[in-house]
Amino acid sequence: GAVVSQHPSRVICKSGTSVKIECRSLDFQATTMFWYRQFPKQSLMLMATSNEGSKATYEQGVEKDKFLINHASLTLSTLTVTSAHPEDSSFYICSARDSAGVLEYNEQFFGPGTRLTVL
Amino acid sequence: AQSVAQPEDQVNVAEGNPLTVKCTYSVSGNPYLFWYVQYPNRGLQFLLKYITGDNLVKGSYGFEAEFNKSQTSFHLKKPSALVSDSALYFCAVRDRGGGSQGNLIFGKGTKLSVKP
Repeated sequence: GAVVSQHPSRVICKSGTSVKIECRSLDFQATTMFWYRQFPKQSLMLMATSNEGSKATYEQGVEKDKFLINHASLTLSTLTVTSAHPEDSSFYICSARDSAGVLEYNEQFFGPGTRLTVL
Repeated sequence: AQSVAQPEDQVNVAEGNPLTVKCTYSVSGNPYLFWYVQYPNRGLQFLLKYITGDNLVKGSYGFEAEFNKSQTSFHLKKPSALVSDSALYFCAVRDRGGGSQGNLIFGKGTKLSVKP
């Protein structure tokens, strides 16, 4: 199957700093990428849908000024957590959807996740 | 509203026994249905999907799932469980009406524990 990478896999930062997480589709082009947040022992919560070349669509309750999303190319989307607080500590997972139809039914593929810890 | 229900928080199975992880869904029309597995501190790995055709879908690692339209269910099954199957399993649905842009809706997950 298609491969989606995330970097970094783990990050620890101080409160008030900003952290950038990268999501890359390695062997396919992704018009659409998704950012999820997962709390311990809970399901994935969709934060936003990132479309290449346009503004991201945020889910209700997600602060767009705090979670900045940039999808500048068909293989890269970034999530920047600005002015991080301890309550932002979580597991962030990205997902990419093949845009060219090469992979059937526009299947979503998931990255390995990024564990963010804010001290 | 679209939703996915995984009624069991945890399923415990002895190694070698069959396992079932339950999933029911509620969407308008016919959905795309998926199962994903998540190991600790890892992202989701795709197991199998139902798009159309045969109601019994076979996927990775010996797993299979049966689409039952009348019961709106898509239970995950495996004839003989392995200790290495222990993980968190998510059922997901995507509304066909959403076309290629429809988002995945996830269940809350079921923790599968397989004991030797």
